[in-house]
Amino acid sequence: KQEVTQIPAALSVPEGENLVLNCSFTDSAIYNLQWFRQDPGKGLTSLLLIQSSQREQTSGRLNASLDKSSGRSTLYIAASQPGDSATYLCARRGVQFYFGTGTSLTVIP
Amino acid sequence: NAGVTQTPKFQVLKTGQSMTLQCAQDMNHEYMSWYRQDPGMGLRLIHYSVGAGITDQGEVPNGYNVSRSTTEDFPLRLLSAAPSQTSVYFCASNAGTAYNSPLHFGNGTRLTVT
Repeated sequence: KQEVTQIPAALSVPEGENLVLNCSFTDSAIYNLQWFRQDPGKGLTSLLLIQSSQREQTSGRLNASLDKSSGRSTLYIAASQPGDSATYLCARRGVQFYFGTGTSLTVIP
Repeated sequence: NAGVTQTPKFQVLKTGQSMTLQCAQDMNHEYMSWYRQDPGMGLRLIHYSVGAGITDQGEVPNGYNVSRSTTEDFPLRLLSAAPSQTSVYFCASNAGTAYNSPLHFGNGTRLTVT
């Protein structure tokens, strides 16, 4: 089975803190790695997509990295805000898209 | 700029009833798919399509049918609803073979089977 693991499952941080969310996968045959945000009761919103030939992508306060050799991706959030509170999911694209179960982030004002 | 549109947003069914979840996208995407999301299970692929007239099974296809008669639409049919099908269903699309194409999601359908 194509495993994608996200640790931790939940994270609570004070506002302003920098934080890192982790995503690991067991199959190095990867076309891209995508990070999503999901708010309660909503669909998934794409944040960043890293192609297999890339090492990282940045959008505003978000930076995602990809290390295929170790089967890991990280999402770095700088200067966290209460509005960042959501569940963050990663998905590895191989033949299909394989999702992790997400990290639930709470940013405390 | 609609993106991926799912209807209905909420649905309650009795065991044994059938229904169709609708999904439409206006981005001319080749690839469309259906997922279900359950607590602690993540997103699981039900069925997918790589183009009009082509469909295939995902990880959890039993109890569901799909068809793809047009590029825009990809309905999901529940043939005889069971309580185990209580879940949130998401439709997603992307440009298929373009590996820099992100996956776009609809807002989901929350289904309860009693």
